[in-house]
Amino acid sequence: KAGVTQTPRYLIKTRGQQVTLSCSPISGHRSVSWYQQTPGQGLQFLFEYFSETQRNKGNFPGRFSGRQFSNSRSEMNVSTLELGDSALYLCASSLGEYNEQFFGPGTRLTVL
Amino acid sequence: SQKIEQNSEALNIQEGKTATLTCNYTNYSPAYLQWYRQDPGRGPVFLLLIRENEKEKRKERLKVTFDTTLKQSLFHITASQPADSATYLCALDPVDSNYQLIWGAGTKLIIKP
Repeated sequence: KAGVTQTPRYLIKTRGQQVTLSCSPISGHRSVSWYQQTPGQGLQFLFEYFSETQRNKGNFPGRFSGRQFSNSRSEMNVSTLELGDSALYLCASSLGEYNEQFFGPGTRLTVL
Repeated sequence: SQKIEQNSEALNIQEGKTATLTCNYTNYSPAYLQWYRQDPGRGPVFLLLIRENEKEKRKERLKVTFDTTLKQSLFHITASQPADSATYLCALDPVDSNYQLIWGAGTKLIIKP
């Protein structure tokens, strides 16, 4: 079974621009979570989607948004990029009731 | 405040010895706790899950304990190998988490030959 895929793997943007990241979960997984990871902050939860509905959201500004499609693929969008948005963005899908997460390789976003 | 803590300093262990990593939490009532391994530039990989009513879980050279009284989980790697060098993350799922895992910052483990 194919793992979680994320595109693009690397991205360089300038301040003020917007970016869209994509995540394809493992087949059959309906839950997709997004995380931001930086060296100083560790894994920070952004949001979680299940069957196209956002079930939970972390403490990030409204510039961070996401959605999930009927095939469970998910996208997250960051508008008006700031330097502090530079990070590794990880997507994880989940199937089981115990919320075991399967992570993708991440998208490395650099904001200049 | 609610938090989950792991040793922020790197843990250096001699090859062949047992590595023990600690995960402490406060103000949570976790339904279960998970451990993940993360290599540089890659996503975390799930290793083990332990439920609140379980004291210990094993998988090959890995062992996890869960003490809800001490609010602590210990992660052991026996007969450690240089290939075990990575950052290890713990994550807990509070009973009322609403599908959100709470993550520790991770402990970097270095196994020296």
